[in-house]
Amino acid sequence: SQQGEEDPQALSIQEGENATMNCSYKTSINNLQWYRQNSGRGLVHLILIRSNEREKHSGRLRVTLDTSKKSSSLLITASRAADTASYFCATDGIGGAQKLVFGQGTRLTINP
Amino acid sequence: GAVVSQHPSRVICKSGTSVKIECRSLDFQATTMFWYRQFPKQSLMLMATSNEGSKATYEQGVEKDKFLINHASLTLSTLTVTSAHPEDSSFYICSARPAIKTDTQYFGPGTRLTVL
Repeated sequence: SQQGEEDPQALSIQEGENATMNCSYKTSINNLQWYRQNSGRGLVHLILIRSNEREKHSGRLRVTLDTSKKSSSLLITASRAADTASYFCATDGIGGAQKLVFGQGTRLTINP
Repeated sequence: GAVVSQHPSRVICKSGTSVKIECRSLDFQATTMFWYRQFPKQSLMLMATSNEGSKATYEQGVEKDKFLINHASLTLSTLTVTSAHPEDSSFYICSARPAIKTDTQYFGPGTRLTVL
């Protein structure tokens, strides 16, 4: 079942600004992952954060995880036009099956 | 490294025909592959989990006789959409999990299926 909810569904900002996307989930997880998808293309893995981690950085990306609230956020700093894409969170539940459950996604538009 | 390919990237077929989509891990062995479907402007929905040498495990609501999955080797899984109908038109994406256990899956570029 689809358990990830993302907020906002769509976000439009000016180039150079920061973009924040949120993800909530319902069940216990092993890890949470963020992916980017350009229109009509496959998924690009951005970052994985484990259930015992609270924050992780990768370049201009910062991900937080709050397991008590069952939520995560993805921050993209100093946004660029090339960051325009859909962003999805995906949870990997406890059990070892590695069946990812994807959120509904946030469509991010960076205006030049 | 860790590249997954899909073939074909796009396919258009007539209603009632069958279409086979291949998913290959090019530079690693994958004991498990996953098949997802994505409708326009929607998220990915897991259809089935494919394990090498055994039967696939289908998610609730996915017809196993309509979506045939074969994982014949550690680098290849195929999805065959049988007797395709226009409502099967979608973006099909596979992912592969390396045999050496990691938390990461690697996604293919997707196959756009259009059934006329």
